[in-house]
Amino acid sequence: QQPVQSPQAVILREGEDAVINCSSSKALYSVHWYRQKHGEAPVFLMILLKGGEQKGHEKISASFNEKKQQSSLYLTASQLSYSGTYFCGTAYGQNFVFGPGTRLSVLP
Amino acid sequence: GAGVSQSPRYKVAKRGQDVALRCDPISGHVSLFWYQQALGQGPEFLTYFQNEAQLDKSGLPSDRFFAERPEGSVSTLKIQRTQQEDSAVYLCASSLGSYGASNQPQHFGDGTRLSIL
Repeated sequence: QQPVQSPQAVILREGEDAVINCSSSKALYSVHWYRQKHGEAPVFLMILLKGGEQKGHEKISASFNEKKQQSSLYLTASQLSYSGTYFCGTAYGQNFVFGPGTRLSVLP
Repeated sequence: GAGVSQSPRYKVAKRGQDVALRCDPISGHVSLFWYQQALGQGPEFLTYFQNEAQLDKSGLPSDRFFAERPEGSVSTLKIQRTQQEDSAVYLCASSLGSYGASNQPQHFGDGTRLSIL
């Protein structure tokens, strides 16, 4: 079953913050985050492996609450280059399932 | 170093024709995944290889779809008797480890955009 993402879409002004949520009805052991720009391949952002783990890369960070089966991606002081569709994903055995994506548009 | 390479970049075929899509993963990557991505949707899992072994093919939509990775490097996704609903972008991804999808980043190719007329 596919993870659920919210919101479906968000529009920001440059410099604003955003949060993208990912949840699953099944137990999560790890959560991946990827960003895909139109017509391009998905690009890996980060993996969270432990309950309650947080990771960060510059102004993009994420948290993972294993008990709640949720992960959130935080984009701080957004830049124009952050525009794209963000996917969370998780492994179920050897199968990997992506969420439906959150389309993020950052305007000048 | 070189990333994941997919060819062709675009493929147009008539309904009923067979097509073959190629994926050349990053050298040394053990794991290889195929995904199908429809417009406006997330990638959908098709199949997973660990070296030459196809460990999961649960996502292949029908027996018209076949994937192989005979020497544990290059992989081919073949679609027989193509239908219009097969039109999509087919993405290939590879990862370094042999632990499947759970704890390794996946590196994606640019995909093959398949259009069935």
